[in-house]
Amino acid sequence: DVKVTQSSRYLVKRTGEKVFLECVQDMDHENMFWYRQDPGLGLRLIYFSYDVKMKEKGDIPEGYSVSREKKERFSLILESASTNQTSMYLCASSTHGGAENGYTFGSGTRLTVV
Amino acid sequence: LAKTTQPISMDSYEGQEVNITCSHNNIATNDYITWYQQFPSQGPRFIIQGYKTKVTNEVASLFIPADRKSSTLSLPRVSLSDTAVYYCLVGDAALRGSARQLTFGSGTQLTVLP
Repeated sequence: DVKVTQSSRYLVKRTGEKVFLECVQDMDHENMFWYRQDPGLGLRLIYFSYDVKMKEKGDIPEGYSVSREKKERFSLILESASTNQTSMYLCASSTHGGAENGYTFGSGTRLTVV
Repeated sequence: LAKTTQPISMDSYEGQEVNITCSHNNIATNDYITWYQQFPSQGPRFIIQGYKTKVTNEVASLFIPADRKSSTLSLPRVSLSDTAVYYCLVGDAALRGSARQLTFGSGTQLTVLP
């Protein structure tokens, strides 16, 4: 019954590495999002996409990029990982419209940059 | 962008009804109110969404007064497994590219005691 799948639950990377976080959804949703969650700061939106090859910056896009080549897949890229990017990363998806629609989240990837 | 205010934490006992109130004084005409539940090390899970008056599903009820400047999530007869963080979000979930409007605050930590 898994609908939003994030490729890794835990990752440990070194400072300066290029890091790819993958997210796949099987609900044919148009919108996909990447958030990071840190204690005391809640969830903060990094990037989102409302269509294939479309992307928009969220509240904290610095140090990140994204790729949406296919509707079901949304990748978050850390070009050069830094220790302040150690966090829980959450992917979500949603449809464009409808009053009953909410976000469906993945289980998260806990990234540690050392 | 409608900001939300919720209590930081609440305690309850098993079997009691729990009401969590969220303030959103500058809610816009097109905004919906959505509540999410998050357990540790998991992504948030959609609970309920409403626009006005009352909405009820198998998990919770959502009460929204006529002025829509606040909303109350009601959890009937809570159990220990309802211990989680509950987020209130306000935004227009129906429009394409509206993800920026869905901002997660710090949420309310509900602790259910035996």
